[in-house]
Amino acid sequence: GENVEQHPSTLSVQEGDSAVIKCTYSDSASNYFPWYKQELGKRPQLIIDIRSNVGEKKDQRIAVTLNKTAKHFSLHITETQPEDSAVYFCAARRGGYQKVTFGTGTKLQVIP
Amino acid sequence: GAGVSQSPSNKVTEKGKDVELRCDPISGHTALYWYRQRLGQGLEFLIYFQGNSAPDKSGLPSDRFSAERTGESVSTLTIQRTQQEDSAVYLCASSLGNRGYEQYFGPGTRLTVT
Repeated sequence: GENVEQHPSTLSVQEGDSAVIKCTYSDSASNYFPWYKQELGKRPQLIIDIRSNVGEKKDQRIAVTLNKTAKHFSLHITETQPEDSAVYFCAARRGGYQKVTFGTGTKLQVIP
Repeated sequence: GAGVSQSPSNKVTEKGKDVELRCDPISGHTALYWYRQRLGQGLEFLIYFQGNSAPDKSGLPSDRFSAERTGESVSTLTIQRTQQEDSAVYLCASSLGNRGYEQYFGPGTRLTVT
């Protein structure tokens, strides 16, 4: 089955700096890679996703890159703000399957 | 429109008792997922439904866990003879299935086994 590894487990950055979270996956048939943000005590919510037919996707301060050859993908947050503080989960979904495998999460702390 | 709802929001039960957790997905969502999230941990996949069938039950931790879905709508997760290690937040999510991959999560049920 699919295995998704996520690093780092915790990340502290100064407000205004950039944050990068990296994930690797094992199943070369995976073709959909979402990122979820979970604020303390709240439910996870999708913030951005990418499909295997593109290498990069950007939405304002958030971007995701995908390297299919190396089977890794990354989340980039620029100009971080205190409200970006949360746990971020990457995930991977195999084509033709509904099951989504999540990474173990990264706790991001943005220091004002 | 209404999002995914779960009930109860909190459940405290004694060790050895059975519990039922309920999930109401977004109307029209064919795929439904159950996850377990222990305090400070990640999302542990339990089971998912495509329609009323469960093609993948591989995440159920033991035979004390079971789930069903009826009418391509409501799902219940049942935990029999609860143990203290079952204490966690149980999250339900739904998606459009093959017509859309984004999972919409419910608020979760916080289960505490004493």
